[in-house]
Amino acid sequence: EDQVTQSPEALRLQEGESSSLNCSYTVSGLRGLFWYRQDPGKGPEFLFTLYSAGEEKEKERLKATLTKKESFLHITAPKPEDSATYLCAVQITGNQFYFGTGTSLTVIP
Amino acid sequence: GAVVSQHPSWVICKSGTSVKIECRSLDFQATTMFWYRQFPKQSLMLMATSNEGSKATYEQGVEKDKFLINHASLTLSTLTVTSAHPEDSSFYICSATGLTDTQYFGPGTRLTVL
Repeated sequence: EDQVTQSPEALRLQEGESSSLNCSYTVSGLRGLFWYRQDPGKGPEFLFTLYSAGEEKEKERLKATLTKKESFLHITAPKPEDSATYLCAVQITGNQFYFGTGTSLTVIP
Repeated sequence: GAVVSQHPSWVICKSGTSVKIECRSLDFQATTMFWYRQFPKQSLMLMATSNEGSKATYEQGVEKDKFLINHASLTLSTLTVTSAHPEDSSFYICSATGLTDTQYFGPGTRLTVL
């Protein structure tokens, strides 16, 4: 059964304390993996797309990596404004996507 | 680029009335649009997928006669909640894909049914 699992469910960090969020997947044929950021009461904001194992993408304090079984979203020296829920999604076919349940990140000043 | 808008951003209606939510891709042509529902502190629940000019494909358990989806053009899809009831109160979010498979999401619509 195709499945996407994100961990941890919630993460509290001190400002400047780097960490990683995990998205593990068991799917039959990965076409793409997507990371989104969602603030309360808003739609998800696109961050990254990864297509093949070994691929990495960076944007400011965020870096996403991909292996054959999981993806990591590394947050370096986070700031309070990085607090949000981070969602990953896996694409199987053209219109078939599976979303994880998200990691709620809180960065404390 | 890749901006998706939704209108209205919030709506309050009486039980039994119908509500229409619009989803527009502002700077790209959306070959596929998705409609999601999200409950507080939960992830996205896909309701249906629609391609321009075709009937929407609904997920299991989603009543297609209650949630009418129209994707009449490459930039506009609408979701109509017919005969809304309090249990339909939720946060509805649309997304769109164009030349790439990346879904770009709208800001969401908060529906409250009294």
